[in-house]
Amino acid sequence: GAVVSQHPSWVICKSGTSVKIECRSLDFQATTMFWYRQFPKQSLMLMATSNEGSKATYEQGVEKDKFLINHASLTLSTLTVTSAHPEDSSFYICSARDRGVGDEQFFGPGTRLTVL
Amino acid sequence: AQTVTQSQPEMSVQEAETVTLSCTYDTSESNYYLFWYKQPPSRQMILVIRQEAYKQQNATENRFSVNFQKAAKSFSLKISDSQLGDTAMYFCAFGRTGRRALTFGSGTRLQVQP
Repeated sequence: GAVVSQHPSWVICKSGTSVKIECRSLDFQATTMFWYRQFPKQSLMLMATSNEGSKATYEQGVEKDKFLINHASLTLSTLTVTSAHPEDSSFYICSARDRGVGDEQFFGPGTRLTVL
Repeated sequence: AQTVTQSQPEMSVQEAETVTLSCTYDTSESNYYLFWYKQPPSRQMILVIRQEAYKQQNATENRFSVNFQKAAKSFSLKISDSQLGDTAMYFCAFGRTGRRALTFGSGTRLQVQP
């Protein structure tokens, strides 16, 4: 099956710094990628939809200036958490749609962000 | 907007027995997909089964099957011959056609007891 990778798998940073998370589709081209956030023991909440070559679409309540998303190629989307604060600590998951395969989404393994 | 409701926060089943997880959804769409995902402690989302709304036949994948009731907007997951490896969080998800994200339910934590 299609594989999506995320890097790093976990990161610890100091408050005020920026952190970049990469999401890659390894064996397929993804015209659309999605970024989700998951708090402990909770469900996945969509943050934004990332389309290759265009600006990301953010969900209501998600600060686009804090969570910068770039989808520069058909295999890579990045999420940059700018000026991170402890409340940004969470589990971030990306998923990608294979443009050649229906509507199935393939999920990355997630990135655990801890902001001290 | 679509909503997905999972009314069972936690469930427990004995190994080798059968368990059914419930899911209801609300939508005005006619064409859509429904999914069950498993999230084990590793937190990797794993697709268990999917159902296209236009198909009347319930999807089956080995020990996993669904009961899809379109009129009632119900989509339950039945796990037969439960195994210890089935212990995980299970999420029901709704997906629209096109470049759309999934809408997830709140999840059901399933514990398979030896």
